[in-house]
Amino acid sequence: GDSVTQMEGPVTLSEEAFLTINCTYTATGYPSLFWYVQYPGEGLQLLLKATKADDKGSNKGFEATYRKETTSFHLEKGSVQVSDSAVYFCALFSGTYKYIFGTGTRLKVLA
Amino acid sequence: KAGVTQTPRYLIKTRGQQVTLSCSPISGHRSVSWYQQTPGQGLQFLFEYFSETQRNKGNFPGRFSGRQFSNSRSEMNVSTLELGDSALYLCASSSTSDHEQYFGPGTRLTVT
Repeated sequence: GDSVTQMEGPVTLSEEAFLTINCTYTATGYPSLFWYVQYPGEGLQLLLKATKADDKGSNKGFEATYRKETTSFHLEKGSVQVSDSAVYFCALFSGTYKYIFGTGTRLKVLA
Repeated sequence: KAGVTQTPRYLIKTRGQQVTLSCSPISGHRSVSWYQQTPGQGLQFLFEYFSETQRNKGNFPGRFSGRQFSNSRSEMNVSTLELGDSALYLCASSSTSDHEQYFGPGTRLTVT
């Protein structure tokens, strides 16, 4: 069945460091891919999305490219801030009315 | 546009009791999904409703049930609560056009 695998956390970085959170997926067909972010005490918020191969989603300095050949959707940011500390979830929508979420990666950014 | 609202935000129940959680989706959204979030299991899909019909269901026991009303508001019910049901229950709504999910703040359920 469809699945999402993302890197284990926590990830601890210094402010202004480069961030990569790896995400790979298994799916039949052509799923849409998403990154969601969850700040402490809140629900999930959509960060960015890509709906077809080679699409690049971007928002708030974060980027991810839909790579069908490697079935990946890695999240990147060139310079993280303390305010980026949160849990990040990779997800796919397979078209069977169900989202598949990764286990989440906790990011901690130190000043 | 108002976001997804969930009530109550916090609940404390005793083992064996039942509980009902409520979710009001964003206006115009007809799809509502429910998730259970725990530190050990992450985010797990419970079920999804569209136009009052359950379209998909996750791997949870029959103690977990839900429904959707004609105004798209949804409720989920957990009967015969167990300690392991303690979790954050998240509701998300989406439109049929883009499948982006908009999450509510969740209901924190503690079973003692």
